[in-house]
Amino acid sequence: GEDVEQSLFLSVREGDSSVINCTYTDSSSTYLYWYKQEPGAGLQLLTYIFSNMDMKQDQRLTVLLNKKDKHLSLRIADTQTGDSAIYFCAEWVGGGNKLTFGTGTQLKVEL
Amino acid sequence: NAGVTQTPKFRVLKTGQSMTLLCAQDMNHEYMYWYRQDPGMGLRLIHYSVGEGTTAKGEVPDGYNVSRLKKQNFLLGLESAAPSQTSVYFCASSYTGRASPLGFGPGTRLTVL
Repeated sequence: GEDVEQSLFLSVREGDSSVINCTYTDSSSTYLYWYKQEPGAGLQLLTYIFSNMDMKQDQRLTVLLNKKDKHLSLRIADTQTGDSAIYFCAEWVGGGNKLTFGTGTQLKVEL
Repeated sequence: NAGVTQTPKFRVLKTGQSMTLLCAQDMNHEYMYWYRQDPGMGLRLIHYSVGEGTTAKGEVPDGYNVSRLKKQNFLLGLESAAPSQTSVYFCASSYTGRASPLGFGPGTRLTVL
């Protein structure tokens, strides 16, 4: 199938690290993406990783890719209240021209 | 450079009515997409286009039609709206297909009574 799976909710305290996990299905995926959606807004590209990489760091964001297990994670260091949002992982599926999204993880940051 | 814009932002329809959602992009992108977002289901692809004059079905195309007469515009039509089409609709575009990230519009919230 083409399901991209994520847990629905994550709650963390301000200042802690957040780790959002994703499992994908298509082993031929070349790029995997993380998008952020703030309330009432569209999706904003956060970061992406190419399939020949294991890790990518971008300021407070770290993306880890385990191709063997088809597992992708997004770590947010020093999580702030402004990080509260829904986070989607996404992969290109097979030879098609479509980006398939996970169900989204709602991150809640508590003071 | 406005990016991806969508009109209208909100709409309420009665069952059986028709409407067209308009998506416009000013980035000269070849690929355009319509997704719907429902709670707990993520984003599901309705239709997409890989260039002017082309359209293709996505994951949930039933009840929708699309047209891409001009490169910068991608229209989504509902011929006879049903309550199951109550959703938030997002348009997106990208320069190419694979390996090219999508830029999203702000969304259209549609309620069908």
